[in-house]
Amino acid sequence: GQQLNQSPQSMFIQEGEDVSMNCTSSSIFNTWLWYKQEPGEGPVLLIALYKAGELTSNGRLTAQFGITRKDSFLNISASIPSDVGIYFCAGPYSGAGSYQLTFGKGTKLSVIP
Amino acid sequence: EPEVTQTPSHQVTQMGQEVILRCVPISNHLYFYWYRQILGQKVEFLVSFYNNEISEKSEIFDDQFSVERPDGSNFTLKIRSTKLEDSAMYFCASSEEGAFSFLHFGNGTRLTVT
Repeated sequence: GQQLNQSPQSMFIQEGEDVSMNCTSSSIFNTWLWYKQEPGEGPVLLIALYKAGELTSNGRLTAQFGITRKDSFLNISASIPSDVGIYFCAGPYSGAGSYQLTFGKGTKLSVIP
Repeated sequence: EPEVTQTPSHQVTQMGQEVILRCVPISNHLYFYWYRQILGQKVEFLVSFYNNEISEKSEIFDDQFSVERPDGSNFTLKIRSTKLEDSAMYFCASSEEGAFSFLHFGNGTRLTVT
């Protein structure tokens, strides 16, 4: 089945540093989604990407949809303590008419004040 | 902002017991989903529901699982005879359309099977 591989699995950074994480797949995805999950809560959508090569920003977050459609990255600039959480990439299953989302295993971000 | 609400937040049950997890999707949403997340692992799709029927289900969603929309507001997931490996966070989600960017997740129910 489709798998999304995220790296790194976890990161410890100093407040104010920039963060970069990525997501790769052996399959082509037509949509890439980045979610953040904080403890005790459900995933919250951060950025949605729909076109190969697309670069989209949401405040301090920037995400890109890779040209090959098999990868995406998420950057966070000038990290702050509330950026702590698990960041998941996700994409729709390729089956026709499918509503399934496939998630990566996540990148756990810790920010040291 | 409207949100998906799930109850209970934590459910402890004995192996073999039936459990019902409840969700109230956002009121004008038409598509409903259940996902689960085993501790420390990725979020996995279970089932999608539209127009009062299951539109899609994963291999995880076997005969022990069922979903229902008993009235105009609730969406439930029933596990008939729980197993230890059913212990996980169960997330309900809903969307106004089938587009993924409009998917809203609830805060989850943590199910612990002992």
